[in-house]
Amino acid sequence: GAGVSQSPRYKVAKRGQDVALRCDPISGHVSLFWYQQALGQGPEFLTYFQNEAQLDKSGLPSDRFFAERPEGSVSTLKIQRTQQEDSAVYLCASSLDVSMRAFFGQGTRLTVV
Amino acid sequence: KQEVTQIPAALSVPEGENLVLNCSFTDSAIYNLQWFRQDPGKGLTSLLLIQSSQREQTSGRLNASLDKSSGRSTLYIAASQPGDSATYLCAVKRYDSGGGADGLTFGKGTHLIIQP
Repeated sequence: GAGVSQSPRYKVAKRGQDVALRCDPISGHVSLFWYQQALGQGPEFLTYFQNEAQLDKSGLPSDRFFAERPEGSVSTLKIQRTQQEDSAVYLCASSLDVSMRAFFGQGTRLTVV
Repeated sequence: KQEVTQIPAALSVPEGENLVLNCSFTDSAIYNLQWFRQDPGKGLTSLLLIQSSQREQTSGRLNASLDKSSGRSTLYIAASQPGDSATYLCAVKRYDSGGGADGLTFGKGTHLIIQP
């Protein structure tokens, strides 16, 4: 596709519900990143994939957060048993290589009520 | 742990002025530094990328400089226009434990308003 695509754009979840956020990177981009952006803050790194390998997951805030990229293309960020503090915009980015310019999607705004 | 600070947090200037946004980082061992623009409700748009071995990059009315040893970068915007109104984010790409590149560490951004 022309850019990084994320779905859904908006998600409202009841506390305790599981959610899955999808990212379609730019075709051919090897590296894929997930970031969490709270209101009024800069994005915070969550995790990074090189093809299907998850090379760094040090930013995932708890074991309720899980990300996968099984075929080295589409990625899913899953949050189990959502809590209010999980409310944020979740941004996905991809790049040809990890050292190169990153292209961001528009994000998924998650609101936990 | 790398920390990125941006000053000022907000800036409002009349159209046509030249302006400078500042970014500082605590750990000089960076892979590269990037400046992004974020419009309300949208993702980030990459403006400039400076490799750790470079001193500056230019794109149109934008010029970014990097002084890695002092942990500072500036974004210079010439002849500002109302369409430049947005939040500008500075981010440094760090090294992973194996010496390769890893994710970005962002500042909180500078919210810029250009008055017509």
